[in-house]
Amino acid sequence: GQNIDQPTEMTATEGAIVQINCTYQTSGFNGLFWYQQHAGEAPTFLSYNVLDGLEEKGRFSSFLSRSKGYSYLLLKELQMKDSASYLCAVKDSNYQLIWGAGTKLIIKP
Amino acid sequence: ETGVTQTPRHLVMGMTNKKSLKCEQHLGHNAMYWYKQSAKKPLELMFVYNFKEQTENNSVPSRFSPECPNSSHLFLHLHTLQPEDSALYLCASSQDPSGGYEQYFGPGTRLTVT
Repeated sequence: GQNIDQPTEMTATEGAIVQINCTYQTSGFNGLFWYQQHAGEAPTFLSYNVLDGLEEKGRFSSFLSRSKGYSYLLLKELQMKDSASYLCAVKDSNYQLIWGAGTKLIIKP
Repeated sequence: ETGVTQTPRHLVMGMTNKKSLKCEQHLGHNAMYWYKQSAKKPLELMFVYNFKEQTENNSVPSRFSPECPNSSHLFLHLHTLQPEDSALYLCASSQDPSGGYEQYFGPGTRLTVT
């Protein structure tokens, strides 16, 4: 079967750096997405990786290793507003998005 | 209006009721999606429409019936639901189901089946 694994919950301190890992086993690979979802709100797109390496976008970066079936989302200079769930999703060979259950990130002052 | 809108935002219905969820996208996208989101579970893809044609139906029970009259509108008709169908129902749209196009989500309909 297809599977996306990410930690259920993480805690970090305001101003620090946090890395959220995602491992996947899917039938085919057509890209990996990270979304942010604040409580009670819709998921919003953060990043897309289809080739190995690091994609940087301001305070957020996303890394992909296709050979390892592994990605991480790196958040720098954490702010209280970064408290949210972070969803990892992979497009499989049928171009369907397979979703992880999300990582709830708690930021403490 | 911009983005993806959904109505109603909240819905409480009995198991014998019939109701419909509505989604509208103002982004000029060709593909629209229905997802179910339950607490602490991954998003479950229910239906995909591309250029008004249904391209995916992920073994969804027949008590959920989608309708896509045009590329901007998507409905989910509900009848004789079960309490386990209580969840957040999210609509999304994208330029194309394939490739690296991200999906844009609406705010969701919080459904409670009593």
